[in-house]
Amino acid sequence: AQKVTQAQTEISVVEKEDVTLDCVYETRDTTYYLFWYKQPPSGELVFLIRRNSFDEQNEISGRYSWNFQKSTSSFNFTITASQVVDSAVYFCALRRALTFGSGTRLQVQP
Amino acid sequence: GAGVSQSPSNKVTEKGKDVELRCDPISGHTALYWYRQSLGQGLEFLIYFQGNSAPDKSGLPSDRFSAERTGGSVSTLTIQRTQQEDSAVYLCASSLFFGTGFSPLHFGNGTRLTVT
Repeated sequence: AQKVTQAQTEISVVEKEDVTLDCVYETRDTTYYLFWYKQPPSGELVFLIRRNSFDEQNEISGRYSWNFQKSTSSFNFTITASQVVDSAVYFCALRRALTFGSGTRLQVQP
Repeated sequence: GAGVSQSPSNKVTEKGKDVELRCDPISGHTALYWYRQSLGQGLEFLIYFQGNSAPDKSGLPSDRFSAERTGGSVSTLTIQRTQQEDSAVYLCASSLFFGTGFSPLHFGNGTRLTVT
């Protein structure tokens, strides 16, 4: 069985603050993929990143960074200097049949 | 090129009626997924098709739900004898499958189903 846990249901920060969204997963697969998706108020799902289980190198893309640690089965997502446009629901997901966490709603206050 | 297309975008039906939701994946995408999202909730996996393999139906909540994919392309999700708890946004997604894994999912805009 696969499981993805996003314990933070809602986070509110003030613009320019850094924020980390937690994701913990469970899987028996030795090979798997982890994803983060963003769902802005408009509703569409936007792909942010994919990470395979063999690559634990952390990744930075602009203000976004991801910390993948197999030892703790975590794949956390940090937004640096948050902006109002970052307000959305963020989903962490685990391959095989892409099991989603329940999402974290991020509100960035101006 | 066109993205994942779902129809209808909105569907209102009476309790007990059957509904069919359609998904046109991106051309060439061999993997197709159905999810649903209830109001304010996360995404719930329903079913997954990959090429000609038997579909993974492990997420279907009851035998009232079924899905098929014809010719490896268009998929139809059917809900029989709809109940009010079936009200949700039903999302379809497709992706490429490589020998070493999958490409990211491309989602359609969803069908909002309301059962009255």
